[in-house]
Amino acid sequence: QKEVEQDPGPLSVPEGAIVSLNCTYSNSAFQYFMWYRQYSRKGPELLMYTYSSGNKEDGRFTAQVDKSSKYISLFIRDSQPSDSATYLCAMSHDSNYQLIWGAGTKLIIKP
Amino acid sequence: GAVVSQHPSWVICKSGTSVKIECRSLDFQATTMFWYRQFPKQSLMLMATSNEGSKATYEQGVEKDKFLINHASLTLSTLTVTSAHPEDSSFYICSSTGGTDTGELFFGEGSRLTVL
Repeated sequence: QKEVEQDPGPLSVPEGAIVSLNCTYSNSAFQYFMWYRQYSRKGPELLMYTYSSGNKEDGRFTAQVDKSSKYISLFIRDSQPSDSATYLCAMSHDSNYQLIWGAGTKLIIKP
Repeated sequence: GAVVSQHPSWVICKSGTSVKIECRSLDFQATTMFWYRQFPKQSLMLMATSNEGSKATYEQGVEKDKFLINHASLTLSTLTVTSAHPEDSSFYICSSTGGTDTGELFFGEGSRLTVL
């Protein structure tokens, strides 16, 4: 079993829809949770960064962490075609930056 | 955020040759640089951690003699794929903490290597 599970998709939704992306994990020691967006042939860029449980909102993006269920989510409101990319979750249990990555979910927003 | 510049963005080489990929920190001093490899539809895999002025730390299963890492200055880390073979074809990405201790990582643009 992988430490971090993420559905690779692709996930195709119409423009304007609310998108929900998720990852589950098995290591209860994870404390730092991140979401990265990666466009084709580009390096990942950090979207959201959260520590421990709770919600964090930044514009159209909301990250949720449920440590009791070992489940994290990224919500995208009012989705745009420019949001089409691969979204990767990553997490670590301390600040030594040893990140464990999900496989990434390919998201397609249809105009 | 911090800027990490990676070059070349793509390279094609013949089997048996060596390829060097450069990663530069443009607006901060990078004492540590992380090198990742990503195969199509797979997650990022950490290959090694390079530290300025000392030897790199390689992850299990990564051949240090094949993937030479040099971090001779605070703004430049290089990855050299020696005697490249077609199975080394991949997307290589460097990242750094950007001089912060928040746990965030800033990534280079990535380098697509194709070995013929």
